[in-house]
Amino acid sequence: DQQVKQNSPSLSVQEGRISILNCDYTNSMFDYFLWYKKYPAEGPTFLISISSIKDKNEDGRFTVFLNKSAKHLSLHIVPSQPGDSAVYFCAARPGGATNKLIFGTGTLLAVQP
Amino acid sequence: NAGVTQTPKFQVLKTGQSMTLQCAQDMNHNSMYWYRQDPGMGLRLIYYSASEGTTDKGEVPNGYNVSRLNKREFSLRLESAAPSQTSVYFCASRDRGHLWETQYFGPGTRLLVL
Repeated sequence: DQQVKQNSPSLSVQEGRISILNCDYTNSMFDYFLWYKKYPAEGPTFLISISSIKDKNEDGRFTVFLNKSAKHLSLHIVPSQPGDSAVYFCAARPGGATNKLIFGTGTLLAVQP
Repeated sequence: NAGVTQTPKFQVLKTGQSMTLQCAQDMNHNSMYWYRQDPGMGLRLIYYSASEGTTDKGEVPNGYNVSRLNKREFSLRLESAAPSQTSVYFCASRDRGHLWETQYFGPGTRLLVL
């Protein structure tokens, strides 16, 4: 049973436009959320995070929004750049279980020049 | 710093063969993890080691064993490989007690079981 879902396997966006990647979760006990970025033939790298006590966190071109009532997380990239083309994973930490993360299935973002 | 290194990068096995995937980190991290990535499934935790001398099962431990050899090294063993274990395997490390932002991944081992 997939507790963290990314329903869009892929997304294509024009350079300079906004990219919006979505993530839904089912477990209301998740207390921390992260986004990872993965290039081909490399391991994932941390991108941005948000605690469940917040609804927004911003870091440069990247903003993560959390809607706890809808159990929905989104990552906004503005403006999108070709170097942003990668697979993006959202991940959630079960409350109290500090040694595990539950990952989503990933979304492949392609930013067209 | 090399960060997290994994060997081999790619391996082909026949069903029933055994092999050990090696992982080492040079960041003095306490916690280490093994994940597998499959299409449509994301990253799933196989085993983890919160600190030297301890190991615990993750979401999908069946068919695998692990050894935390020392603080630097965490190996994953497949005793009798099956086609269902065809996957990309990632090792990661994290400084225990710190937030997950400090989790660093290796480049992965691509395993094909025929």
